[in-house]
Amino acid sequence: AQSVTQLDSHVSVSEGTPVLLRCNYSSSYSPSLFWYVQHPNKGLQLLLKYTSAATLVKGINGFEAEFKKSETSFHLTKPSAHMSDAAEYFCVVSDPSGYSTLTFGKGTMLLVSP
Amino acid sequence: DTEVTQTPKHLVMGMTNKKSLKCEQHMGHRAMYWYKQKAKKPPELMFVYSYEKLSINESVPSRFSPECPNSSLLNLHLHALQPEDSALYLCASSGGAGGYNEQFFGPGTRLTVL
Repeated sequence: AQSVTQLDSHVSVSEGTPVLLRCNYSSSYSPSLFWYVQHPNKGLQLLLKYTSAATLVKGINGFEAEFKKSETSFHLTKPSAHMSDAAEYFCVVSDPSGYSTLTFGKGTMLLVSP
Repeated sequence: DTEVTQTPKHLVMGMTNKKSLKCEQHMGHRAMYWYKQKAKKPPELMFVYSYEKLSINESVPSRFSPECPNSSLLNLHLHALQPEDSALYLCASSGGAGGYNEQFFGPGTRLTVL
């Protein structure tokens, strides 16, 4: 069984300040982990993925995430927020051994103020 | 082409209507998925097709009927829906059914049932 906990339902930052979206996971296996972003009334876009290669993963639009097995965490960061980053972010875990059924976190809404 | 397309973008239907949602991908992916997403919630998996065969049905009511005519196309036939079925319906595809494969999502169909 696997699960994902996104520790904040909402995060508010000012434009130009760092972003931290927190995610903890639980998995019986060595998981694959993903971050997806969803802008209002849009589909989900893959930001980055971890699949047991480098623990520091770089994604699109300046986002990166670090896989920490000892802490079972996969937090998403960005050095400087942009207004266009305002969206819903989902942390997702997948069991590599079976069908790629995804377990989603409940999501974190990122609000960016000028 | 790294895109999943969905038609229509919006659909309004009565409870006695029959309609279909369409999804298409030309990435050579062999696994395709239907998700239902209610407002402010993560997507919920409905169906998984792997190599054009239905491999997972997450106990979805029979008023939703999936079809995979070929490896590029996925349909969702709708009949006698209820107002609570109103949601964003997302299609996704992945290179294979293994859990290390990221899923690529379409923009979704916004369904309203009157």
